[in-house]
Amino acid sequence: KAGVTQTPRYLIKTRGQQVTLSCSPISGHRSVSWYQQTPGQGLQFLFEYFSETQRNKGNFPGRFSGRQFSNSRSEMNVSTLELGDSALYLCASSYSDSDFEAFFGQGTRLTVV
Amino acid sequence: AQSVTQLDSQVPVFEEAPVELRCNYSSSVSVYLFWYVQYPNQGLQLLLKYLSGSTLVESINGFEAEFNKSQTSFHLRKPSVHISDTAEYFCAVSRPASSYKLIFGSGTRLLVRP
Repeated sequence: KAGVTQTPRYLIKTRGQQVTLSCSPISGHRSVSWYQQTPGQGLQFLFEYFSETQRNKGNFPGRFSGRQFSNSRSEMNVSTLELGDSALYLCASSYSDSDFEAFFGQGTRLTVV
Repeated sequence: AQSVTQLDSQVPVFEEAPVELRCNYSSSVSVYLFWYVQYPNQGLQLLLKYLSGSTLVESINGFEAEFNKSQTSFHLRKPSVHISDTAEYFCAVSRPASSYKLIFGSGTRLLVRP
């Protein structure tokens, strides 16, 4: 059974650009969550999608957005990139909202220059 | 709101020695508790979890954690560590009503020396 796949693994962008990150959950999983990991702020919850609906959003500016498709694949988008957006972005999937085990992908390392 | 405190940013220990990684949480409601491990350039892997029932939970690779409600703690222990246990360990909590939203501690880097 394939794990959570995140693409790309590494990305370098320039300030002011926008970026889209992709996450393919484990087959059959319907919940996808996104986290930002930085040395200064640690791991922070961005948002979660379940059956194409955003159920919760963390304390991030509107530049951070996401969506989920009917096949449960999810994308997150960051517009007008800032240097502080440099981070490891992690995606996690779980089977349902009563499934307490979240499976994480390897992450996308975003560097903003 | 929930919060998690991991007091030790780094714990150096010799191989085959015991180790304890400390985790304290703050919450006005009941929570689920988790320990995740992160190896370099990898995502997070669930080590163990406490949802309810027995306060002592164990992982398949020798780690255990005990939920202590009165002390609001969920410390991780291993009686004998291996070099391969070197990694970053994160304690996390979630509310039962929104179990998909994990609140993480700042992490503890376990450094096992030969």
